[in-house]
Amino acid sequence: AQSVSQHNHHVILSEAASLELGCNYSYGGTVNLFWYVQYPGQHLQLLLKYFSGDPLVKGIKGFEAEFIKSKFSFNLRKPSVQWSDTAEYFCAASSGGSYIPTFGRGTSLIVHP
Amino acid sequence: GAGVSQSPSNKVTEKGKDVELRCDPISGHTALYWYRQSLGQGLEFLIYFQGNSAPDKSGLPSDRFSAERTGGSVSTLTIQRTQQEDSAVYLCASSLELAGPYEQYFGPGTRLTVT
Repeated sequence: AQSVSQHNHHVILSEAASLELGCNYSYGGTVNLFWYVQYPGQHLQLLLKYFSGDPLVKGIKGFEAEFIKSKFSFNLRKPSVQWSDTAEYFCAASSGGSYIPTFGRGTSLIVHP
Repeated sequence: GAGVSQSPSNKVTEKGKDVELRCDPISGHTALYWYRQSLGQGLEFLIYFQGNSAPDKSGLPSDRFSAERTGGSVSTLTIQRTQQEDSAVYLCASSLELAGPYEQYFGPGTRLTVT
């Protein structure tokens, strides 16, 4: 079965620290990859997505992610986090053969001011 | 423009009662998805619609769960004879098209508590 793994379930950082959240998927072939964010009390929203072209994708609020096909990975990065980045982060993937995006279990990020 | 809306935002019900959860997707979005979000469990896929059709119902946890979509728009998720393990946040999402690179737009969710 297709799956998406997020290895970090809870991450605690201080402001200005660098962030990298891991995401691995098990799909073969063409894959579409997404990172969604859920701020406290808000609904899930798209942070960034990859479906073709440049494997380094830039999203909102200074986030970026790199698609490494050989590693089946799509890690999320931010050079310097802010307190306002405190949220739950979900990686998701879909392939040409599935209409159902598969989500990882999520990573809870807490940033201390 | 208007996003995905869901109602009610919160629902408390007694075990054994039926509940209906409503989702109003973004106008023009052909694909609609239902998920269940439990604490620490991520998003559990329940069902998707392409137009009014739901080709795959295998994600529904039991036959107490059903969903329909009418007019290619509003969708209703019905849970019959609710159980305590049904307590969760039920999320609805819509996208322009099914599959491919189309992002999903999520609603605020309905928090269901079964007592």
